[in-house]
Amino acid sequence: RKEVEQDPGPFNVPEGATVAFNCTYSNSASQSFFWYRQDCRKEPKLLMSVYSSGNEDGRFTAQLNRASQYISLLIRDSKLSDSATYLCVVRNYGGSQGNLIFGKGTKLSVKP
Amino acid sequence: DVKVTQSSRYLVKRTGEKVFLECVQDMDHENMFWYRQDPGLGLRLIYFSYDVKMKEKGDIPEGYSVSREKKERFSLILESASTNQTSMYLCASTKTGVKDNEQFFGPGTRLTVL
Repeated sequence: RKEVEQDPGPFNVPEGATVAFNCTYSNSASQSFFWYRQDCRKEPKLLMSVYSSGNEDGRFTAQLNRASQYISLLIRDSKLSDSATYLCVVRNYGGSQGNLIFGKGTKLSVKP
Repeated sequence: DVKVTQSSRYLVKRTGEKVFLECVQDMDHENMFWYRQDPGLGLRLIYFSYDVKMKEKGDIPEGYSVSREKKERFSLILESASTNQTSMYLCASTKTGVKDNEQFFGPGTRLTVL
């Protein structure tokens, strides 16, 4: 079983739609969770960290379910500029600090 | 702003050549990483370093070596390039001791081995 699994998509949605991405991780000892965003032909950049209590940043909401080993990202009122690949990322402590495990990404395309 | 730079955006080499990919970060980060990214396979860790002259193998170190002689610079070396090393190579850095520390990536080097 892969450590971090995501639906590759693509998710094709109209502007203004709400879209949700899910991710599962296999290591119950995973301790930190993130969503990174990668635009076409660009490097990944941190979108937001994911906390057990859930967290929100504007139109973006991230949630973590440790019991189910499941992470989600909700995007409300999608914009054309949200089109990108969203990478689910976990860190398992025990290795060198900062060592992340990346999912393969979910591609989002927002259409006019 | 944290800045991670890579020596080349595009590189074309021939099979058997020795290839050097350079990465420099300007934020005094202790940890540096080399990944390759391929369609359908995602980001895979090749090597990382948590201090000068220190290195650890990642998930796919075969065919690669690294060098970290200075804190700000982390080099990836392909001793004898092969066609299956054609890929996008991404360097990243992060600071030790910061909760939820972000990995900052360079712009990537797209390497083609002919």
